[in-house]
Amino acid sequence: KQEVTQIPAALSVPEGENLVLNCSFTDSAIYNLQWFRQDPGKGLTSLLLIQSSQREQTSGRLNASLDKSSGRSTLYIAASQPGDSATYLCAVIQTGANNLFFGTGTRLTVIP
Amino acid sequence: KAGVTQTPRYLIKTRGQQVTLSCSPISGHRSVSWYQQTPGQGLQFLFEYFSETQRNKGNFPGRFSGRQFSNSRSEMNVSTLELGDSALYLCASSRTDVAGELFFGEGSRLTVL
Repeated sequence: KQEVTQIPAALSVPEGENLVLNCSFTDSAIYNLQWFRQDPGKGLTSLLLIQSSQREQTSGRLNASLDKSSGRSTLYIAASQPGDSATYLCAVIQTGANNLFFGTGTRLTVIP
Repeated sequence: KAGVTQTPRYLIKTRGQQVTLSCSPISGHRSVSWYQQTPGQGLQFLFEYFSETQRNKGNFPGRFSGRQFSNSRSEMNVSTLELGDSALYLCASSRTDVAGELFFGEGSRLTVL
């Protein structure tokens, strides 16, 4: 069964710092990997989608990488801002399935 | 372009009752899936529908059911509610039929007393 792990569970950084969130998955047979953010009490906002054939995707200050063979993805946030404070979730769609397997999330706090 | 719309946003029920939650996907999206989010278990997949057919189901008891209509709108139903069913229920839609990017609604927060 696919298992997705995110480290660290919580992270606190001063404003302006660059940071990296980590995601690992046990089964490398995936269609794609998607990063989301979730604000307290809210739904999930899609940040980046990486297809299994891609190595990375970029959107503004966000850059996500994927190393399928090692079962790892990272989300890099440049020049963090207080508005980036949220829980970040990674999820994979496994080959042969059409549902997301979610990690437990990293709660990010950016201190002004 | 409207996003995924879920109703109701909040509801309170008592044990033994049943509840129906509704989800309207993004226009043009034919795949709708449902997830349950709890502090203890995180986000867990319930089921996925495409063109009115349930294609995939998670590991939940038969009390959890769903359906999709011809306009792609979906409902999920939970019968004989238990305290442990208290959760945020999230609906997601996707444009493609396989492994497309998923877009989520704001969720329906169910509290069972």
